[in-house]
Amino acid sequence: QQQVKQSPQSLIVQKGGISIINCAYENTAFDYFPWYQQFPGKGPALLIAIRPDVSEKKEGRFTISFNKSAKQFSLHIMDSQPGDSATYFCAADRLGSARQLTFGSGTQLTVLP
Amino acid sequence: DTAVSQTPKYLVTQMGNDKSIKCEQNLGHDTMYWYKQDSKKFLKIMFSYNNKELIINETVPNRFSPKSPDKAHLNLHINSLELGDSAVYFCASSQDYTSGNEQFFGPGTRLTVL
Repeated sequence: QQQVKQSPQSLIVQKGGISIINCAYENTAFDYFPWYQQFPGKGPALLIAIRPDVSEKKEGRFTISFNKSAKQFSLHIMDSQPGDSATYFCAADRLGSARQLTFGSGTQLTVLP
Repeated sequence: DTAVSQTPKYLVTQMGNDKSIKCEQNLGHDTMYWYKQDSKKFLKIMFSYNNKELIINETVPNRFSPKSPDKAHLNLHINSLELGDSAVYFCASSQDYTSGNEQFFGPGTRLTVL
């Protein structure tokens, strides 16, 4: 049972364009939603995270939009750059208990120069 | 300075063998984790330890046994390796296991079982 569904599986964007990756979750107990970025041969690294008390969080070119009623959240990468080419994972977790990050299936982003 | 390190980076072995992967973190964190990333890049938690005590043990075969000699180290021993064990294994650490602190991942160990 996949508790966090991520789409698309792959995404190709032109340099300067907007990359959008979507995730949906099922467990309403989730209250922490991070996004991780993984380059080939490396471990995932935290990019940005949001808690459900806000609907949007922005850090530089990266923005998370969160819709609690729809149980969906998305990552927007503005002015996408070739250096953003990586695999992006959304995840969900429950704070205040033994942490158990549940990851989405990943999105392979390619930004063309 | 490497925050979370793993050895070896690559591990190629025959079916039925026993192997270990070592992990060390120099961040002073209390909690460490093992994740498995399969060929489709799906990441799934296997274990988590807090101050050397097992916190989470997902439905992982008994052939996998984590060991934490101290809170800076979490090793993974795998007995009787099977073809399906081929994957990339990531170690991670976080400040503690209950708050929303960042998890820091190691570079991964690519295990190939022939």
